[in-house]
Amino acid sequence: SSELTQDPAVSVVLGQTVRITCQGDTLIQFYATWYQQKPGQAPVIVLYGKNNRPSGIPDRFSGSTSGDTASLTITGAQAADEAVYYCNSRDSRGDPQVVFGGGTKLTVL
Amino acid sequence: QVQLQESGPGLVKPSGTLSLTCVVSGGSMSKNRWWSWVRQPPGKGLEWIGEVSPTGATSYNSSLKSRVNISADRTQNQFSLSLTSVTAADTAVYYCARGTVTSSYFYYMDVWGKGTTVTVS
Repeated sequence: SSELTQDPAVSVVLGQTVRITCQGDTLIQFYATWYQQKPGQAPVIVLYGKNNRPSGIPDRFSGSTSGDTASLTITGAQAADEAVYYCNSRDSRGDPQVVFGGGTKLTVL
Repeated sequence: QVQLQESGPGLVKPSGTLSLTCVVSGGSMSKNRWWSWVRQPPGKGLEWIGEVSPTGATSYNSSLKSRVNISADRTQNQFSLSLTSVTAADTAVYYCARGTVTSSYFYYMDVWGKGTTVTVS
């Protein structure tokens, strides 16, 4: 089955830059999408495609892909960015499947 | 803008059937969207359950396929989830979400419901 692998936890000092990664073979075909989830809330999309931010998402969020690994970079992390970040992609090689990474808990110090 | 709202029983007995509905408001269930169910057990990550495509075709998580059915009623602007033979492991927050697939190999879920908690006990 398809899988996306993320580090369980990452920390960053306030105002510094942090990168969160997501690895999986589905990323060779489909770009990763990134979601931010805060406690008790539904996920919110923060990045999709090559490097597309939905309306209202700050430009400190950016993304990139290299081979089977996608990265979400937060440049100048803010306290409000503390959350769990999930990557997500699609596997269309057989019966379509949607996959999520296990999530990365970001702590802003 | 489009909003999604889940509804259904918050408590289901073991071996019973979990049934939820997602109502789409602020827009139609347009034919170029995929409509998904996603769940999140307490303290755990997101798990995709399945989707209904613009053509009405369904796809399910292979680990749940034998127990899941998703259907859409576009005349009522809603879609539904049925999960049979539930156990405590099916206790989770259940979300409905709108997905988009593009020819440029983007897939994203841009609209989510607030989620509804279902406890199996």
